[in-house]
Amino acid sequence: LAKTTQPISMDSYEGQEVNITCSHNNIATNDYITWYQQFPSQGPRFIIQGYKTKVTNEVASLFIPADRKSSTLSLPRVSLSDTAVYYCLVGGANGGFKTIFGAGTRLFVKA
Amino acid sequence: DVKVTQSSRYLVKRTGEKVFLECVQDMDHENMFWYRQDPGLGLRLIYFSYDVKMKEKGDIPEGYSVSREKKERFSLILESASTNQTSMYLCASSPSGRAVDEQYFGPGTRLTVT
Repeated sequence: LAKTTQPISMDSYEGQEVNITCSHNNIATNDYITWYQQFPSQGPRFIIQGYKTKVTNEVASLFIPADRKSSTLSLPRVSLSDTAVYYCLVGGANGGFKTIFGAGTRLFVKA
Repeated sequence: DVKVTQSSRYLVKRTGEKVFLECVQDMDHENMFWYRQDPGLGLRLIYFSYDVKMKEKGDIPEGYSVSREKKERFSLILESASTNQTSMYLCASSPSGRAVDEQYFGPGTRLTVT
């Protein structure tokens, strides 16, 4: 299983773009990169997933360089409600149930 | 929308008690998971089940057992609760056993063992 490394915490201000980088040096060929978001007193929820290059949805963008040893979650124009913990995971499509959530990145958005 | 519900949001139990945490999902998912979450440690997998009556240990199974008698229900059992099991417990389900599949989480049960 590929382990991931993320910053423990980040601060931002409303309206700014926030980029959270995740390192996964041992990512396997069939691994995907998935990000979850967790608000206080709630379970995590899936926000975005990608394999390579760039993925964008209504919540975020995910940038993955060619070597796939890292990835960057980009949140455009954050608001106070984006204050949460963000988890980066890597996992395969060819079986194997385990995912490692790690400690995540605590993002605090200030007014 | 997938819904994963947990029987209690908050629970207080005494040391040595047998504790049951219940989880129900309504999307006919094959896989269900139990995690515990502690400050600074993220989520750690306790057990998971890939089919009715089937289970596998996760990273920290000691002191816990599980039961899955029906597809939609997955129970976590603390045979004899101890204070170091005070934690947030999260249940999740996913359509299949692939690590790439999205997991759907319940709201969590905050258990305090005194």
